[in-house]
Amino acid sequence: ETGVTQTPRHLVMGMTNKKSLKCEQHLGHNAMYWYKQSAKKPLELMFVYNFKEQTENNSVPSRFSPECPNSSHLFLHLHTLQPEDSALYLCASSQDTGVVGTDTQYFGPGTRLTVL
Amino acid sequence: SQKIEQNSEALNIQEGKTATLTCNYTNYSPAYLQWYRQDPGRGPVFLLLIRENEKEKRKERLKVTFDTTLKQSLFHITASQPADSATYLCASHNQGGKLIFGQGTELSVKP
Repeated sequence: ETGVTQTPRHLVMGMTNKKSLKCEQHLGHNAMYWYKQSAKKPLELMFVYNFKEQTENNSVPSRFSPECPNSSHLFLHLHTLQPEDSALYLCASSQDTGVVGTDTQYFGPGTRLTVL
Repeated sequence: SQKIEQNSEALNIQEGKTATLTCNYTNYSPAYLQWYRQDPGRGPVFLLLIRENEKEKRKERLKVTFDTTLKQSLFHITASQPADSATYLCASHNQGGKLIFGQGTELSVKP
């Protein structure tokens, strides 16, 4: 185990539903991340939080809404998603951001999301 | 644009041979590169980090090289085993400070 947990592991939702993904890290890290991984595509960075402050929003549609109440917890709120949003959503944490040796990513197992 | 590219074709090798995976970067000079392993349906797991002033880094059966002239990193697994079968990703920060990943190379080691 990497010390990063995600729930749920699988989620099926309709386009009109509202759901949330949860991530928790037990590593004492300061930075947390959301990634999207679609089949045969590179990992896409979505959001970065450092010390609970959002430092990166990689042009993500507003139907994805992140929340970081503290350095250990990260949520991704989903509403009115599209079928093309179906993917593996990965949470990660690192000691810090942008510093050699401290931004090594520790990933959770991911949430497999299917939008019908 | 700044990119990290890996061979998207799967690599199939025989058990006991050395697997070599390639990571090329374009339009920037990263200070370091990281390599991760990803098994199906799971998150990537960090393996090794190599800095630009390091030519080579080793960890057990793994070896990573960094050639700033060729703008390339090579990832080697010696004495490969079926358990090494996975997708291997390289990653680094671009000049904007954003962490970018290659698309990964799938390795299959046959017994």
